[in-house]
Amino acid sequence: DSGVTQTPKHLITATGQRVTLRCSPRSGDLSVYWYQQSLDQGLQFLIQYYNGEERAKGNILERFSAQQFPDLHSELNLSSLELGDSALYFCASSPLAGYQETQYFGPGTRLLVL
Amino acid sequence: SQQGEEDPQALSIQEGENATMNCSYKTSINNLQWYRQNSGRGLVHLILIRSNEREKHSGRLRVTLDTSKKSSSLLITASRAADTASYFCATDRRETSGSRLTFGEGTQLTVNP
Repeated sequence: DSGVTQTPKHLITATGQRVTLRCSPRSGDLSVYWYQQSLDQGLQFLIQYYNGEERAKGNILERFSAQQFPDLHSELNLSSLELGDSALYFCASSPLAGYQETQYFGPGTRLLVL
Repeated sequence: SQQGEEDPQALSIQEGENATMNCSYKTSINNLQWYRQNSGRGLVHLILIRSNEREKHSGRLRVTLDTSKKSSSLLITASRAADTASYFCATDRRETSGSRLTFGEGTQLTVNP
């Protein structure tokens, strides 16, 4: 158990809908990262937040957005969902801004878009 | 394109044998990390090796890093059936700010009892 929690574990929804994925980092960790794992694109970095501010951005679609709250938990919002958004979404955390730090991954949220 | 590329894509060995997985990458890195993933589950961090390090050990794991060849290897000694999983290398590239891991496609290791 990494100490990173994600909810929900599974999510089934329809195309065009919007969902919110939630992540609580390890106690004391200031950075939260979001990754997407799909069969065709593998594991891809989406975005990093450090102490409430966006720090690094990857291949995150405009339909996706994230934020980190004052209590350091983070939410990833996915809107206008498409079939291709079906994937495992992982959250990870690290103590500071990430330089030379291990990222600890949560168990993931499995999203299925029908 | 993937920063890290693992080789082989799949490896099947007998319990007790050693397993070696390789990873190549393209750009300068701060560090390289190896993760393990059991089927469809979360990623478990195994080891982090910094760009100024050449070798690291953790239990039955040995990781090497050759920055001149932009490659790394993960050796699992005396493998067990419980080591069956996918293994990913991930590079933390030098960025102007923040941190991001770029993952390879993984090696599927099967350890037969």
